[in-house]
Amino acid sequence: GAGVSQSPSNKVTEKGKDVELRCDPISGHTALYWYRQSLGQGLEFLIYFQGNSAPDKSGLPSDRFSAERTGGSVSTLTIQRTQQEDSAVYLCASSWTSGSDTQYFGPGTRLTVL
Amino acid sequence: AQSVTQLDSQVPVFEEAPVELRCNYSSSVSVYLFWYVQYPNQGLQLLLKYLSGSTLVKGINGFEAEFNKSQTSFHLRKPSVHISDTAEYFCAVTRGSQGNLIFGKGTKLSVKP
Repeated sequence: GAGVSQSPSNKVTEKGKDVELRCDPISGHTALYWYRQSLGQGLEFLIYFQGNSAPDKSGLPSDRFSAERTGGSVSTLTIQRTQQEDSAVYLCASSWTSGSDTQYFGPGTRLTVL
Repeated sequence: AQSVTQLDSQVPVFEEAPVELRCNYSSSVSVYLFWYVQYPNQGLQLLLKYLSGSTLVKGINGFEAEFNKSQTSFHLRKPSVHISDTAEYFCAVTRGSQGNLIFGKGTKLSVKP
């Protein structure tokens, strides 16, 4: 079956612009995660959705970052007023439920802020 | 708070040699442990995971890992590596009630002919 898909694969933007990154999880997976991968910080957790529960936003680095998950499926990560330090690969993952279930990762969106 | 330490950032090894990638974690509660692999220009893929039971876990591509609770370690091993094992390997931990993974900084395995 289809895996986790993300779009766009690459995004180049200017400092101060807003960007939206999209994630389509595996069908039926109730848990969805966003991570960020950068050279300096490694792999960092950003936000986590589980079913209809309120999301865990504890990893978001600033209030410029937000995410939503519509209808328990597709998720959008929005970064407002982008900064150069936001440049990274943004990874989405999904799993059947949370905790011990395997998280399946998408290919990522490479964001470059000029 | 939980954390994961991967002691080696880079490990060069010759083809057909054995390899061990080290991972230590800290947590005050029981955790689940994972190893993920990232091949060049590809996404993260699960190698293996430890949830409970037998402390020796076997994964894909001939890899295995041993959970050692007293040493809070979860080292990854392969008895004979191939060129195709060249990749970055990430150790990760999560609690049962918690969703997100906490990753180590990664170990780049470079297999040379």
